[in-house]
Parts: sequence; C-alpha cells; structure tokens
Amino acid sequence: DAGITQSPRYKITETGRQVTLMCHQTWSHSYMFWYRQDLGHGLRLIYYSAAADITDKGEVPDGYVVSRSKTENFPLTLESATRSQTSVYFCASSELKTSVQETQYFGPGTRLLVL
Amino acid sequence: SQQGEEDPQALSIQEGENATMNCSYKTSINNLQWYRQNSGRGLVHLILIRSNEREKHSGRLRVTLDTSKKSSSLLITASRAADTASYFCATGRGATNKLIFGTGTLLAVQP
Repeated sequence: DAGITQSPRYKITETGRQVTLMCHQTWSHSYMFWYRQDLGHGLRLIYYSAAADITDKGEVPDGYVVSRSKTENFPLTLESATRSQTSVYFCASSELKTSVQETQYFGPGTRLLVL
Repeated sequence: SQQGEEDPQALSIQEGENATMNCSYKTSINNLQWYRQNSGRGLVHLILIRSNEREKHSGRLRVTLDTSKKSSSLLITASRAADTASYFCATGRGATNKLIFGTGTLLAVQP
C-alpha cells in the first residue's frame, strides 16, 4: 500500500482519556504535519516534524503531544482529551526538495468525538 | 491566525459555467497553493504558484497571483458536478516547510 494512512478513521472517547491517532506514510517524505479542521477555522497546524526526532509546534499545540522515532510514522497523542478537541484530524507529508514549501499530501482524516 | 481568506465563502453555479474563487493574504509569501477537499475526504493538491509567477494553468484550472495586492484567484472553467467540493488556498512563507490554510470556499455545481 502506497500513500499516507491514518488510524483509526473514527474514534469516540471520554473527557480525560488519553487518545493516540496514528499516521503512516510510505513515501519516505521528510516532513509530516498534523492539522485539525473545525467549522469556521479551516485547517490549523498542531505540530509538524522536519525529520525523525525533530518536531516543532504549530498554531494550536496545547493539549497535544507528538513523537517521530521513525521517518514513516508520526503519532499524535491527546494526553487528557477535552470536548474542545472534538474535531477532524488530518495528517500530511511533504518532501524536502528546496528550502521553500512543497506540496503536501493528506491522509483521509480521523473524526474524533470527545464526550 | 489565518493567513489566507477565501472569498466567497460559498458559491453555487450551474454545470458548464465558470467558477472563480479569491484568496487574500497578509504577509509576503514564497508560494501559494490551492487544494480541493471533497466531503469527508482529505485535501488534494491542485496547483502551486510561486511568488515570481503571475499566472499558471493546469487543465481547466487557471490561477493568478498578484503579490502587490496580496491576492490570488482560482478559476475553474466549464465546471462539472464532480467539481463540487471545498477549495482552500494555502500560503508558504519563511524558511520552514509550513503552510497556512485559509477557511475555504464551498463550491456547489448544480447538474
């Protein structure tokens, strides 16, 4: 299977629980990103990673943790889920061709509902 | 905060008509990209235009960039029902590989 996959596709959890969303890409892209999409806000960057073991905060990082021990995987963990984290989460990846921004390739998304 | 603002927020047209969406942004950019999102799906890259380019074509898509006005437009010619989707502009700036997305235009093409 080639491309970028996310799991689970749907998740229901309760406030206070820890949740991990998985992202896997088969292209060996250097960069990976996590976004959340909410009505009226478009896509907002949570965290991104330039390479294995290199991560950095985006626009809305509070309440989230990421890691990148392998190039192909970029899991996103909600340490203690809150209702405000109910959203659709998208993972994306891009190559590192130049020093400027390249095309991003998106996964299918994970719909998370926090009760 | 959002870098890109799309206009209009929603657009409904008939099949065969042209659809024009606009994007305005706030600061200088390296490039501007347009993405499409079908309902319930991830975003798909359509076209990238660099800051030193003024116009770019790809099939039925035409993108213009006016850096003096900090704006871009996406024209879809001879629209089809399958073009029904949300369209997002995304701007790249600085030395990182990050993009900043706008809030999108919802296009509905009536058959």
